[in-house]
Amino acid sequence: DAGITQSPRHKVTETGTPVTLRCHQTENHRYMYWYRQDPGHGLRLIHYSYGVKDTDKGEVSDGYSVSRSKTEDFLLTLESATSSQTSVYFCAISVDRYEQYFGPGTRLTVT
Amino acid sequence: DQQVKQNSPSLSVQEGRISILNCDYTNSMFDYFLWYKKYPAEGPTFLISISSIKDKNEDGRFTVFLNKSAKHLSLHIVPSQPGDSAVYFCAAKASGYALNFGKGTSLLVTP
Repeated sequence: DAGITQSPRHKVTETGTPVTLRCHQTENHRYMYWYRQDPGHGLRLIHYSYGVKDTDKGEVSDGYSVSRSKTEDFLLTLESATSSQTSVYFCAISVDRYEQYFGPGTRLTVT
Repeated sequence: DQQVKQNSPSLSVQEGRISILNCDYTNSMFDYFLWYKKYPAEGPTFLISISSIKDKNEDGRFTVFLNKSAKHLSLHIVPSQPGDSAVYFCAAKASGYALNFGKGTSLLVTP
């Protein structure tokens, strides 16, 4: 157990509304990541963080922003949700730059 | 462009037999490889990894083999158990932070 929680675990929202997903860790790891998982695509990196206020884009960052004001929290925001952002979102942490440990996921449905 | 490929979407194996899951990659800069196991409605769980300087890593019933010249790795599970039924993701990383995931292989171990 890597001490990662995600909230909410499930969310249904309408197209055009803003949505924020939260990832919380209890062990003060430096590196945190947001992925999305879709059928036929595996997991794809959205954004990652290598410290407080230090973030960078991943493979599929369009339409997403992130913030990390505290070591333990990493927020993912969909500024204006679209149906293509319906997915399962996973947060992950890593102790170093190798193994990553994942949270339980958030299932987001955009109608 | 999928840099990590798992060409078998599914695999069925009898309990007690060996399960072999395969993964191919195209990026010669990858220097670390990982396998994750995922049950439905849960986050991926780290299983085993291997550095590019090795050709084999073993952990209990799980062994990962790396063939750098063929850009191929495989995960062997011996003996297979019904609880091993899950989706297995192969992942690889180069010098940065991102993990590149394959699309996954669904393993079913039948009694």
